[in-house]
Amino acid sequence: SQQGEEDPQALSIQEGENATMNCSYKTSINNLQWYRQNSGRGLVHLILIRSNEREKHSGRLRVTLDTSKKSSSLLITASRAADTASYFCAPRTGTAGNKLTFGGGTRVLVKP
Amino acid sequence: EPEVTQTPSHQVTQMGQEVILRCVPISNHLYFYWYRQILGQKVEFLVSFYNNEISEKSEIFDDQFSVERPDGSNFTLKIRSTKLEDSAMYFCASSDRPSSYNSPLHFGNGTRLTVT
Repeated sequence: SQQGEEDPQALSIQEGENATMNCSYKTSINNLQWYRQNSGRGLVHLILIRSNEREKHSGRLRVTLDTSKKSSSLLITASRAADTASYFCAPRTGTAGNKLTFGGGTRVLVKP
Repeated sequence: EPEVTQTPSHQVTQMGQEVILRCVPISNHLYFYWYRQILGQKVEFLVSFYNNEISEKSEIFDDQFSVERPDGSNFTLKIRSTKLEDSAMYFCASSDRPSSYNSPLHFGNGTRLTVT
């Protein structure tokens, strides 16, 4: 199972601004999933984008996928203090068992 | 919305003692996982479980660890003889299909294990 590499490692923005984070991976995928982790809590699934999709929206979240570059981005628009969390991508291949593997994530701090 | 529940939320134990961490996955889910996160570090995969057997495990999941689904609802992680380095948050997760089938994992809020 491969893990994604998130970039940047940390991001600090003002409330109302947009936050963009990127994910790169190495081998072809079936889907790529984004998760959020608030401090001390479990991971929460945000969006799953399939390999044949290029963009997906969910509320204030927008995810893009570029399989030719093996990269994905997560955009949070009009950020709120409650968006302060760590964000992880998890690329899924079809032959690597069921587990998801997580990288170091992007720590996002939204200042009020 | 159905959720994964874990008990206890915090467990303190002495080195060498056995601990059992409990999880109730979402009721129609078939795939179960344990992850751990040492303070300030990555969320690490421990083990996955399907059809009453381990389907995959990491190097961390050595002979000190075992998992069980004792009944139709609980999924447990046992650490036989805890070490100081087992101190971490332990997360249970479940999914209804393999995650390669476009199915996300649903995580519980974890059990914080402190070994003294």
